[in-house]
Formats: sequence, C-alpha cells, structure tokens
Amino acid sequence: DVKVTQSSRYLVKRTGEKVFLECVQDMDHENMFWYRQDPGLGLRLIYFSYDVKMKEKGDIPEGYSVSREKKERFSLILESASTNQTSMYLCASSTPPSHYGYTFGSGTRLTVV
Amino acid sequence: GESVGLHLPTLSVQEGDNSIINCAYSNSASDYFIWYKQESGKGPQFIIDIRSNMDKRQGQRVTVLLNKTVKHLSLQIAATQPGDSAVYFCAENIRGAQKLVFGQGTRLTINP
Repeated sequence: DVKVTQSSRYLVKRTGEKVFLECVQDMDHENMFWYRQDPGLGLRLIYFSYDVKMKEKGDIPEGYSVSREKKERFSLILESASTNQTSMYLCASSTPPSHYGYTFGSGTRLTVV
Repeated sequence: GESVGLHLPTLSVQEGDNSIINCAYSNSASDYFIWYKQESGKGPQFIIDIRSNMDKRQGQRVTVLLNKTVKHLSLQIAATQPGDSAVYFCAENIRGAQKLVFGQGTRLTINP
C-alpha cells in the first residue's frame, strides 16, 4: 500500500526550540509539499520541492526551512518555534505534472507552549 | 485574548439525502480539478477528479460538475451516509504549475 508517512502524530514543543517534522514517501514521487492547516484558513503551502536538494517557497515560508537530501524524504524545520506555529502540518507528494493529485500523510499536530 | 478566525462553511444534510458541495475557482488557466475528503484526525484523501475538457464525471455515489463559464465546481454525493461526515476540499491545478491550489473547505455533517 503506497503511502506518505509523517513521523509523529502529535508533538508538544517549547517556545524557542528547534523542531523537525519528518515526511517519507514510498512512491518514488518527484514532488513533495508541506502545508499547515488551521481552522477556517484551509491548507496553506509552506514549502515544496521538485527534486532532491531543491526547494521553493510557498505562500507562508517565514519561520520555516526545509531539507530534501533524499528523494523519499522531505523535512520541515522550525528554527525557533513560536506559539503561532501551533497547527496541523500536512505533508504530501505527487508525480509531475500534478494531473494525478497529491497523496497526503496523516498529519502532525504540533503544539508550541 | 480571544482568537478570531474564519468560520468553515458548513453543510448539514439528512441521512439518505443528496449533498451538494460547491467551490468557486478564479484562474481560467486551471486545467484539472480534484475533490478531497478529510475525516477528523486524518489527512485529505482523493475522491474524484475532472479535467477542464469535461463538464461532468461520475464515480461511486459521487459526481463532479464543472462549469467553466462561471468558474464553478460542485461535488454531489448521493444517498449521504454517516461515513460521509468530513471536510471536503476542492483543488485546482493551474496549467504549467506543479502545485495545487486548495479551497477553504466545507464541513459536511449528517443528521440521523
């Protein structure tokens, strides 16, 4: 069963901590994406990647960075976590062009206290 | 202080009735559209898609209609069941882009 796996379902971190959210896909997809999801705001794109070692900013990249050292893994990094980064984080992957949609992970609910 | 955010549009239907969820898009260069279903605590899951050269596509209990003239997309669910309770998102692929643009979502609740 093909899938996108996010390493944690729930995380609680302290303000100022460096936080790593990991995402792994087993479909050999070229494209990978990180979204955050907040009530009433829908899915907002943070960063995406079309290939290993490349990245593109999405709509809300501030306060985040990403790493893609291997094709199957795309990491989201919160350099210094803040309370306004408390959210649901969703990883997705796709194969270009996007005519087949995305496959999403189950999400990581991050709480920053 | 109190946090103020946008309210998610909500649709309530009786079990067994048909549901219609609507979505407007703005980019005339969009060439592909998808509906996703997100159940509580899970990631969005693909339901059905449609290309811009079509105006209707049917799946099992679901139908997607595309009206390019008014840039409108709808998802129809026949004989709605309790398991259909979820948030439904539309997404559009803008020609030449490799990322989807998502709508805000609609919460579908089923009354017994």
